[in-house]
Amino acid sequence: AQSVAQPEDQVNVAEGNPLTVKCTYSVSGNPYLFWYVQYPNRGLQFLLKYITGDNLVKGSYGFEAEFNKSQTSFHLKKPSALVSDSALYFCAVRGTSGGSYIPTFGRGTSLIVHP
Amino acid sequence: DTEVTQTPKHLVMGMTNKKSLKCEQHMGHRAMYWYKQKAKKPPELMFVYSYEKLSINESVPSRFSPECPNSSLLNLHLHALQPEDSALYLCASSQGARLAGPNYEQYFGPGTRLTVT
Repeated sequence: AQSVAQPEDQVNVAEGNPLTVKCTYSVSGNPYLFWYVQYPNRGLQFLLKYITGDNLVKGSYGFEAEFNKSQTSFHLKKPSALVSDSALYFCAVRGTSGGSYIPTFGRGTSLIVHP
Repeated sequence: DTEVTQTPKHLVMGMTNKKSLKCEQHMGHRAMYWYKQKAKKPPELMFVYSYEKLSINESVPSRFSPECPNSSLLNLHLHALQPEDSALYLCASSQGARLAGPNYEQYFGPGTRLTVT
């Protein structure tokens, strides 16, 4: 069975500082990894994904994520946080064997960016 | 057009009512999903349609009945719900499902906020 762990319920960062939201995964076969953001009273919005190739993936709104196969991690990063980045962030994994193509979501990390 | 639309935005229904949630996408996606989401929790998968056929039912109670009339539309029919069914119901679509689809991201609608009284 595949799984995703987001070890932090909440991440606090000052505006202008770099941010990291952590994600580790477990999956059979090759992992397909995704980050989504959810603003209050809205649906999830796709940020970026890792399929294959470069370990550093760039996405929307200046976000990027680094795939690390040996550590089975896919941490979300941004060099300079904005107050408007405050939201709920979900990491998700999809696999290629059996029923693992169905996305598995992490529990979510609430990012709070302070002015 | 990368938009998934859902109606209504809000719905309040009694435990004896029958109502329907609607979802529409015009991206040509062949996989569509219903999720239930409680506050500050991850979305919980309910149903997956692939090429207009129900491919996954995550042991959802029969008071929830999905329908996919065509490749662009997805409905969720509600009947005799319980207060614990109150949640945000999200529809999503992706370019593929099953073996052809794990590399595709999902596009989510804004959701229907359902309150069961």
